Amino acid sequence: DAMVIQNPRYQVTQFGKPVTLSCSQTLNHNVMYWYQQKSSQAPKLLFHYYDKDFNNEADTPDNFQSRRPNTSFCFLDIRSPGLGDAAMYLCATCPGTSSPNEQFFGPGTRLTVL
Amino acid sequence: GQSLEQPSEVTAVEGAIVQINCTYQTSGFYGLSWYQQHDGGAPTFLSYNALDGLEETGRFSSFLSRSDSYGYLLLQELQMKDSASYFCAGWMDSSYKLIFGSGTRLLVRP
Repeated sequence: DAMVIQNPRYQVTQFGKPVTLSCSQTLNHNVMYWYQQKSSQAPKLLFHYYDKDFNNEADTPDNFQSRRPNTSFCFLDIRSPGLGDAAMYLCATCPGTSSPNEQFFGPGTRLTVL
Repeated sequence: GQSLEQPSEVTAVEGAIVQINCTYQTSGFYGLSWYQQHDGGAPTFLSYNALDGLEETGRFSSFLSRSDSYGYLLLQELQMKDSASYFCAGWMDSSYKLIFGSGTRLLVRP
């Protein structure tokens, strides 16, 4: 089945130790998104790519960066994780042919910062 | 600014009908989506309204009124498995992204 895959599902890191989360998709979608979701809150968009075009949200901290080396893969790098960065990180895709309204989410990576 | 407001929590009885409202404020608006998210799970797409009116998908229906900047999700014949969080999400400008509402936690009681 075509899907969005995130690895790892659970990630534990230490305060200030860089961490990379990965996302891959077999849907061949043009658009990929990274969201941060904290407990009982809405998903908060960090970045999105339309093909290779990178779009950063104005309030995304500089500590967060992203790479999309090809259509299938996208990475989220957190350069110096703080305690406040502990959250669920969701990757999503959409075809990019009409509207962003139907997005396909991966299972998420739950990040713990010690 | 761009924001979408929802009630934080709704409780209903199994078999009943429940309506979850969403009001939005934006200078530009293209459409409203609804997503369901179970605890510990990822959001899954339920429906989308680009035009005013009602869209029906099985037990779930979604409504949009652009003139009132308002939409709702209607869940019929509630089942225990419908207990989850529901988010409205707006396509608010020409960029290819959604703005998610604050979310409504639905609790279905026996």
